[in-house]
Formats: sequence, structure tokens, C-alpha cells
Amino acid sequence: GEDVEQSLFLSVREGDSSVINCTYTDSSSTYLYWYKQEPGAGLQLLTYIFSNMDMKQDQRLTVLLNKKDKHLSLRIADTQTGDSAIYFCAESQYSSASKIIFGSGTRLSIRP
Amino acid sequence: DGGITQSPKYLFRKEGQNVTLSCEQNLNHDAMYWYRQDPGQGLRLIYYSQIVNDFQKGDIAEGYSVSREKKESFPLTVTSAQKNPTAFYLCASRSAGTSIGELFFGEGSRLTVL
Repeated sequence: GEDVEQSLFLSVREGDSSVINCTYTDSSSTYLYWYKQEPGAGLQLLTYIFSNMDMKQDQRLTVLLNKKDKHLSLRIADTQTGDSAIYFCAESQYSSASKIIFGSGTRLSIRP
Repeated sequence: DGGITQSPKYLFRKEGQNVTLSCEQNLNHDAMYWYRQDPGQGLRLIYYSQIVNDFQKGDIAEGYSVSREKKESFPLTVTSAQKNPTAFYLCASRSAGTSIGELFFGEGSRLTVL
């Protein structure tokens, strides 16, 4: 079945760039998302990319998609303490798909 | 403000008891979802509903039940048949006409079985 995989932890120094990686198995994935979860809270959509795109940039966030390798990454430039959170990669086949498959989440911690 | 409200935020249950988690949305969304979150396992889909009076099982529906009598409400009952119910439960909704398929989440309910 479909699967989305992420590493569980990432630690970066404040001011450095953070790169969170994700791989997925469903070649028919059309929509790929990054959600952010702060401690004890729900998830919020951070950014998304369509499968016909290679890259999307939004202020400090850059999403790269390698469709051939089914690899998605999220780069956060100039990482701040407020970026500490769990980041979830997710995919779906179409926008109204019933099933959205989430990865296990990557916990990003920031060192001073 | 529009959003999704889950209650209670924290809930303690004795073994053998059923508990019901509330989820209400005023976003006029058609679809609603219940996810379970365990450390290191991400989100797993329990049940979802795309329209009033209709719902489908997700990947881990055993030991749970839902109802969808109103568009705004999608309560989840954790029954005594659920073997390991201690977890963080998240409710979400989305619009049928969404262009990017964004899910909107509540703040979650943490259930602990004593």
C-alpha cells in the first residue's frame, strides 16, 4: 500500500538551514503537503506542491520535489526557535481524495 | 472565528469504559476525519465522513465508532474493545470544493487509560 517515510529527529543550530526529507511510494500522488505541529496542538498546513512542479518557494520555505525518486524535501532558511515543531509530510492522489497519507513526522529541535 | 473545536482536551478513562470525544466545526466543510497520533507513528486514520449520515472506516477502525447526524458534528466513541486507547486524537475537516485539499485540524484530545 501507500507509504510515506520521514526520519524522526533533526537538530540544527539557530540561524542555519534545516532540511527535512520525505519519501513516498505512490507514483500517482498528485498533491504533496508539509504540515507543522506545535507541542500539544493540531496540525497546520505549512506549504504544498503539485506533482507537476519541481520546486516551490515561499519566504523562508523551499520545497523540492524529485518525482522520479519520489523524494520531497522542505528547507527552512535561517531557522529560528519558533520553528521548533514536528513536521509532517503528506500526500494524496487528488484534492478531494478521502485518504491523505501522512508520514511519521520529523521533530525539529533548535540549538542555540 | 471559524474553526474546529475538540473537547475535552484531556480525558482519563478507566479500563472497560466507553468515552466519547467531541468534534464540532463551523467551517461548513463536508468531510470530517478522525486521526490517532502515537509517538513516532504519525497520524493514522480511524474514520472519515464525506457527507451527513455516511461514514467509512479508516485503517484502524476496530474498537471505535462514529456518527454524523449533523454536518457540523462528528463525535468519536472509544469503546472498551479498543485494546490500547491511550493516544492523542485529532479531528480534521476539509471542503469538498477545495483546490489544494487542505485539512483543517482541531487542537486534539489526549486520552489516557488508567
